[in-house]
Amino acid sequence: QKEVEQDPGPLSVPEGAIVSLNCTYSNSAFQYFMWYRQYSRKGPELLMYTYSSGNKEDGRFTAQVDKSSKYISLFIRDSQPSDSATYLCAMDGGWGGSNYKLTFGKGTLLTVNP
Amino acid sequence: EADIYQTPRYLVIGTGKKITLECSQTMGHDKMYWYQQDPGMELHLIHYSYGVNSTEKGDLSSESTVSRIRTEHFPLTLESARPSHTSQYLCASSDSGVGEQFFGPGTRLTVL
Repeated sequence: QKEVEQDPGPLSVPEGAIVSLNCTYSNSAFQYFMWYRQYSRKGPELLMYTYSSGNKEDGRFTAQVDKSSKYISLFIRDSQPSDSATYLCAMDGGWGGSNYKLTFGKGTLLTVNP
Repeated sequence: EADIYQTPRYLVIGTGKKITLECSQTMGHDKMYWYQQDPGMELHLIHYSYGVNSTEKGDLSSESTVSRIRTEHFPLTLESARPSHTSQYLCASSDSGVGEQFFGPGTRLTVL
């Protein structure tokens, strides 16, 4: 079993839709949870960063972490064609955990159609 | 925007050639990383460094080597390129905190 599982999609939605992206994980040592966005032929860019369980909101983006279920989500409200990209979840055990090495999901390819 | 640079962005080279992929960051980050990414696949860590003169192999075995003589510079070298090395190579850095890494734009390598 991989440490991080992420449905690769592809996911295609109409403009304005609410998008839900998810990852599950097996390593209970993970404490830091990130979502990266990667446009075609570019490097990943950090989108959201959360510590432990809870919600974090930034504009149209909301990240949720449920450590009891080992499940994280990224919600995109009012999705735009410019949101079309691959979204990767990433996790880190932090100090004394994974020694600053991130574990990535495979990424979900999202297309938002105008 | 993160200041981390990779050159070249694209490289097509013949089998057996020696190549060096350059990575530089201006943020003063201690930690730097090299990842390999194939289409539709997750990022695989191939090398990392926690500081000057510190290098470690990552989770994915790689025939490449790295060096860290200066904080801002983390080049990756392939002594003899092969078609199996064809991939996208991504460099990243992070500071002394935890978690977030900042990525460069990547080098897309094709070995013929």
